[in-house]
Amino acid sequence: EVQLVESGGGVVQPGGSLKLSCAASGLTFRGSGIHWVRQASGKGLEWVGRIRSKANSYATEYGASVKGRFTISRDDSTYTAYLEMTSLKAEDTAVYYCTSGLVYLDSGSATDYWGQGTLVTVS
Amino acid sequence: DIVMTQSPDSLAVSLGERVTINCKSSQSVLYTSNNKNYLVWYQQKSGQPPKLVIYWASAREFGVPDRFSGSGSGTDFTLTISSLQAEDVAIYYCQQYYSPPFTFGQGTRLEIK
Repeated sequence: EVQLVESGGGVVQPGGSLKLSCAASGLTFRGSGIHWVRQASGKGLEWVGRIRSKANSYATEYGASVKGRFTISRDDSTYTAYLEMTSLKAEDTAVYYCTSGLVYLDSGSATDYWGQGTLVTVS
Repeated sequence: DIVMTQSPDSLAVSLGERVTINCKSSQSVLYTSNNKNYLVWYQQKSGQPPKLVIYWASAREFGVPDRFSGSGSGTDFTLTISSLQAEDVAIYYCQQYYSPPFTFGQGTRLEIK
């Protein structure tokens, strides 16, 4: 069974930093990209960014609202991805989810996996 | 960036009735090399992470009831629920996977009338 578990959320002051973790199990982690998606209370989903696999040079992309402030990284040896957030603003307050993105299965179909999320409050 | 626009923002439908949610992208999300539309639909219930319902615009995720279907290509897409059930109450989002940033639509809230 695939599991993604986020941790590291909490309360941080404006201008501060926080680093979230996403621990994966049961996933072909080395071959998978990892995305971060956030959701402010009562609001819609916002794609934060992605890190691709080693085969894709660990390339990263970010949404405009976080580019230059957030950094996604990964450690394939521990099956963990990270979201380092700096220069935090009140508007970064949200539940942060990690997700595998679409995973292509041997059957030719696809699926994806999500964690339960971790709450970040900037106040 | 590709802008995803859903309509309507919310709707209330009677049990057993048909539901149609639309999603329009500001540019095509069709990869001509494999003829796949990089468009997914998610269902999100209160307090839960999103759940994949449809991928490649029309492929149903394993375990999703067959009353859910997706259609469309290029820039215009539709999620249809053929006969609304009580457990379908949720917010539905489309998302494009064509090019980063992988933007979401604003969501459509579905309720029972």
